[in-house]
Amino acid sequence: EDQVTQSPEALRLQEGESSSLNCSYTVSGLRGLFWYRQDPGKGPEFLFTLYSAGEEKEKERLKATLTKKESFLHITAPKPEDSATYLCAVQGTRDTGRRALTFGSGTRLQVQP
Amino acid sequence: NAGVTQTPKFQVLKTGQSMTLQCAQDMNHEYMSWYRQDPGMGLRLIHYSVGAGITDQGEVPNGYNVSRSTTEDFPLRLLSAAPSQTSVYFCASTPGGGSYEQYFGPGTRLTVT
Repeated sequence: EDQVTQSPEALRLQEGESSSLNCSYTVSGLRGLFWYRQDPGKGPEFLFTLYSAGEEKEKERLKATLTKKESFLHITAPKPEDSATYLCAVQGTRDTGRRALTFGSGTRLQVQP
Repeated sequence: NAGVTQTPKFQVLKTGQSMTLQCAQDMNHEYMSWYRQDPGMGLRLIHYSVGAGITDQGEVPNGYNVSRSTTEDFPLRLLSAAPSQTSVYFCASTPGGGSYEQYFGPGTRLTVT
């Protein structure tokens, strides 16, 4: 069974204080690892897909990295508008036919001015 | 493109009532899914479809029914609502081919009393 564990559950940062969110996973065979951002009362918004260990993707202040067991979402010099819940998900080869993702419970990030 | 749309945004039901949550996408995506999101549990797959006329069960299908008569629409039916079905429901779609990322609708918040 595929599993995703995210830590910490919640993180409070000061504006400009860089940090990282962790996503540990076990999967039958990794097709892709996905990061989403979710604002309160809204649906998850797709950020990145990572396919293989060593891959990195960047978008503004966010950078996602991948190893064989975990992924990190690095947030550099965050701003209050980066406050959201960040979700990690995996798709294993078992689920390729149905395109289903296994999600973690998310990290709630709050960036204070 | 409107992307993935869901209606209604909020709904309150009494135990035993039935209703249909609507989902539509205008991106000509092949795959569609329904998830429920509960605090601390992440997103869990209810049902999914790999194309018009083809549906199957996910991890938590009991009490729900789906159909997919067109590529665009994927309604979720609650047959006899129970308080345990109080949740936020998200519909998602995936292009297919070599794409695995899912694109989510805005969600329906359902309360069953």
